[in-house]
Order: sequence, then C-alpha cells, then structure tokens
Amino acid sequence: SQKIEQNSEALNIQEGKTATLTCNYTNYSPAYLQWYRQDPGRGPVFLLLIRENEKEKRKERLKVTFDTTLKQSLFHITASQPADSATYLCALQTGANNLFFGTGTRLTVIP
Amino acid sequence: GAVVSQHPSWVICKSGTSVKIECRSLDFQATTMFWYRQFPKQSLMLMATSNEGSKATYEQGVEKDKFLINHASLTLSTLTVTSAHPEDSSFYICSASRTVQETQYFGPGTRLLVL
Repeated sequence: SQKIEQNSEALNIQEGKTATLTCNYTNYSPAYLQWYRQDPGRGPVFLLLIRENEKEKRKERLKVTFDTTLKQSLFHITASQPADSATYLCALQTGANNLFFGTGTRLTVIP
Repeated sequence: GAVVSQHPSWVICKSGTSVKIECRSLDFQATTMFWYRQFPKQSLMLMATSNEGSKATYEQGVEKDKFLINHASLTLSTLTVTSAHPEDSSFYICSASRTVQETQYFGPGTRLLVL
C-alpha cells in the first residue's frame, strides 16, 4: 500500500540548533516533493519544491534533500527560531499535479 | 500574489442541513481548484479536483452527491456539503493553481462542526 511517513509526530529543539525532519514514502513515484508549513487552524503554506532529478535545494535557512533510491526527503531548518514552531508537511506530487500529504511533524523551537 | 481565500472560516450547523463553502483566488485566475479535508492529527486528504467549466473529479471513497463542487468561474469554486452529519465535521481546505501543472496555493481553511 502507499504510505508517506514523517519521522515523528513532534520534535522539540533548542533555539539556534538545526532541526531535521524526515519524510519517507513507499509505492509512489513522485515527480516532485514539496514541503509546507501549517500553523494551527490555518491552511498549508508552500515552502520548497524539489524535483526527482535534484538532490538538494536551499532557500534562506531551509534545505531539502531528495533521495529517490532511499525514497526519502530530509528537511533542515538551520539557526532555528521560536517563530519556526509549526507543523511541517511533506507532500508528494505526481505528474497529474495531485498532492499526497504526510501527517506532519509538529516542531517546537524552545527559546 | 497568489492569494486564496475561503469563506466562511468556520461554521456550525445542525445535522441534516447543507453548508456551502467558497474558495476564491484573489489575484490570479485558477484553471484548477482542489478540495481537501483534514481530520485532527491527520494529513490533508484530497477530495476532488475541479477544472473551470467542467465537472469535478472525485477521489475514491468521496461521495459526489454529498459533496457538490462547482467551479463556475476562474476565481471561484464552491463546495456544498449536503445533509451534513456529525462525521462530516472536519477542516476543509481548498487550493488553486493557474494551470493543472503549476504550484497549488492553499486557502486558510474552513472548520465545519455539525451538531
């Protein structure tokens, strides 16, 4: 069966450290993998997209890696801040532009 | 740019009534709009995809007669939950994209509570 698993439901980290979130999938062949931020009671906000032929993508303090052999993506936030506290969702995008979401990891950055 | 709004942001209704949720792309024309549902502590699940001027495509297990979707213009799609029941209580989120292949921009969501 198809699965998208994010490594943990919740992750606590000290301010200033690097947060690393994991997304593993099975039985999908995504054209793209995307990461979103979702705050409580709000819709997801797009952060980064990485294509299947790309290994790494960066945007400011964010870095995403994509390993199609391992079927895994890692999402890093460097120099984390309390304002980074939110739920982070990975989503696989098929060629038809359908998005399949993981259950998310709730990140808390402790001052 | 690429702002999507939803109305209402929350709604409480009695069991058996129908509820309409609007999704608007405010500063772009959306050929394709998507409707998702998210239960507490669960992932967003795609319910249906709608293209302007044509019938929506529903995902497996989603009743098209219960969740009526209309995408009559390039800036507006509506989802009507007909004869709502408590199990329909959820967070409904829409997204819009300029074309079927482009990035989806998400609305803020509508929380529905059916008593």
